[in-house]
Amino acid sequence: KNEVEQSPQNLTAQEGEFITINCSYSVGISALHWLQQHPGGGIVSLFMLSSGKKKHGRLIATINIQEKHSSLHITASHPRDSAVYICAVSFQGGSEKLVFGKGTKLTVNP
Amino acid sequence: NAGVMQNPRHLVRRRGQEARLRCSPMKGHSHVYWYRQLPEEGLKFMVYLQKENIIDESGMPKERFSAEFPKEGPSILRIQQVVRGDSAAYFCASSPMGSVYGYTFGSGTRLTVV
Repeated sequence: KNEVEQSPQNLTAQEGEFITINCSYSVGISALHWLQQHPGGGIVSLFMLSSGKKKHGRLIATINIQEKHSSLHITASHPRDSAVYICAVSFQGGSEKLVFGKGTKLTVNP
Repeated sequence: NAGVMQNPRHLVRRRGQEARLRCSPMKGHSHVYWYRQLPEEGLKFMVYLQKENIIDESGMPKERFSAEFPKEGPSILRIQQVVRGDSAAYFCASSPMGSVYGYTFGSGTRLTVV
């Protein structure tokens, strides 16, 4: 079964803290995506990965294909980072559709 | 270059009415995906379309739901005879040549059935 598991489900941090959100998946993928969704808002694509590591500003995404695991890191977290972060994958041999994790709700307090 | 445009942003329908949700992909994008987010649940795939073709509709409910992406104009997700359980956020995403090139998501249409 093609599954995506995220942890933690909820995360509360103080401003300035280093944040890590984890994502595991069950079978081979063609790509993994990290998405951001603010309450009542649209979805923003942060990263698309098939190997290695990507960095954009204070955000870093890594993927380990052998271990079927990805992490999203936020350095020097800020209250505006408060959002739901969603991991999604397109599985090999699939039709291009994304399968989503349940999301991690991040709250960064000032 | 406008992003993925979805309209309306909010839609209220009475039970039994029809809902039409529109999605205009980014310029140059010929692949459109529809996803649904039920309250307190994660996002779920509904349908994947290319111009004039449905590629994968494995996530579409068997009845009342249909989707199209005509040669000209936006992609349409149509829900006939809406029920309360159809209340959800519906997101459209587009891609230039398939998912490996990345997606751009729209802001979503929030459907409320009363």
